[in-house]
Amino acid sequence: DAGVIQSPRHEVTEMGQEVTLRCKPISGHNSLFWYRQTMMRGLELLIYFNNNVPIDDSGMPEDRFSAKMPNASFSTLKIQPSEPRDSAVYFCASIGGRGKYFGPGTRLTVL
Amino acid sequence: QKEVEQNSGPLSVPEGAIASLNCTYSDRGSQSFFWYRQYSGKSPELIMFIYSNGDKEDGRFTAQLNKASQYVSLLIRDSQPSDSATYLCAVNPTSNTGKLIFGQGTTLQVKP
Repeated sequence: DAGVIQSPRHEVTEMGQEVTLRCKPISGHNSLFWYRQTMMRGLELLIYFNNNVPIDDSGMPEDRFSAKMPNASFSTLKIQPSEPRDSAVYFCASIGGRGKYFGPGTRLTVL
Repeated sequence: QKEVEQNSGPLSVPEGAIASLNCTYSDRGSQSFFWYRQYSGKSPELIMFIYSNGDKEDGRFTAQLNKASQYVSLLIRDSQPSDSATYLCAVNPTSNTGKLIFGQGTTLQVKP
């Protein structure tokens, strides 16, 4: 299995631009999670889906953030407009078998 | 009070020693507990999980859970330089939805 796949791996953009992060969970995993990691705040859960349905988005920092999961094999996290404080590593994770498995992350830098 | 607390370290141990990593949590109803290892610039990797009070061993790793005291620990025997990483404690709160709450992590340095 290829594991959780994320793209892009690195993204550098300017403040005000729209950013879209993509995730493909492990096949057969029915729960998908988006996390953000920074030195200051550690690993924070933003939103998670169960069977493609958003269950808890209480971690989404503000309306500039949105996430979708149109099918079992694809999810997006969008930031519009982006701000420098959004700079972080964004991880996607899916659950199955023995636990939660993380993707390689997208390192986002907003200038 | 943070929901999951860990000492940020760094914890420095000599090669071959036992490394002891500790974690406390605030939600008394928490049901499952996880340890993740994260190398610098990499994603968290699941290494252990534990649900019941007591010890659970997997190779050089032992997870210990004490629900009455609300702490969980990870012991690494015969520490190797390759064990140098940040270890994240994660707790599945009462709702048991897979929504893991992570601690800030403890950085472990194993010196040759």
